[in-house]
Amino acid sequence: GENVEQHPSTLSVQEGDSAVIKCTYSDSASNYFPWYKQELGKGPQLIIDIRSNVGEKKDQRIAVTLNKTAKHFSLHITETQPEDSAVYFCAAHNNNDMRFGAGTRLTVKP
Amino acid sequence: GAGVSQTPSNKVTEKGKYVELRCDPISGHTALYWYRQSLGQGPEFLIYFQGTGAADDSGLPNDRFFAVRPEGSVSTLKIQRTERGDSAVYLCASSLKGMMAGELFFGEGSRLTVL
Repeated sequence: GENVEQHPSTLSVQEGDSAVIKCTYSDSASNYFPWYKQELGKGPQLIIDIRSNVGEKKDQRIAVTLNKTAKHFSLHITETQPEDSAVYFCAAHNNNDMRFGAGTRLTVKP
Repeated sequence: GAGVSQTPSNKVTEKGKYVELRCDPISGHTALYWYRQSLGQGPEFLIYFQGTGAADDSGLPNDRFFAVRPEGSVSTLKIQRTERGDSAVYLCASSLKGMMAGELFFGEGSRLTVL
């Protein structure tokens, strides 16, 4: 089955700096790669996603890149703000289910 | 508009007891997923429903876990003879696209504590 690994597990940045979170996946058949943000006591919420026929996607301060050959994808947050502080999960979709990484706790210090 | 609703939000039970966790998905979403999330971990897939049928239950850890969705809307996750290791947050998500892969809308979860 699919295996998703995510790094780093924790990340602390200064407000205004960029943050990068990286994930690798094992199954080359996976074709959809979302990123979710989870705040304390809440369920994960989708922030951006990318499909396997696209190499990069951007939405304001958030961007995701996908390298199918290397089977890795990354989340980039620019001009970070304190409200970006949360746990971020990458995921890979194959067939019926979505497999998640272990998460990255991002702290943005004012 | 209502999102995914899960009840109870918190459940404390004793080892060996039976528990039921309920999920009410977004109206019109045919796909429904159950995940389990332990502290500091990502959601772990349990089971996926497309309509009334379980399309993939490969994530259920053992036969103490069972889930139903009899009318293709509300789903119930049932855990028999609970063990302390079952303690986790159980997340439900629904999706419009199902197998076509699209956004999952998560509920806030049911936190299960087995003493």
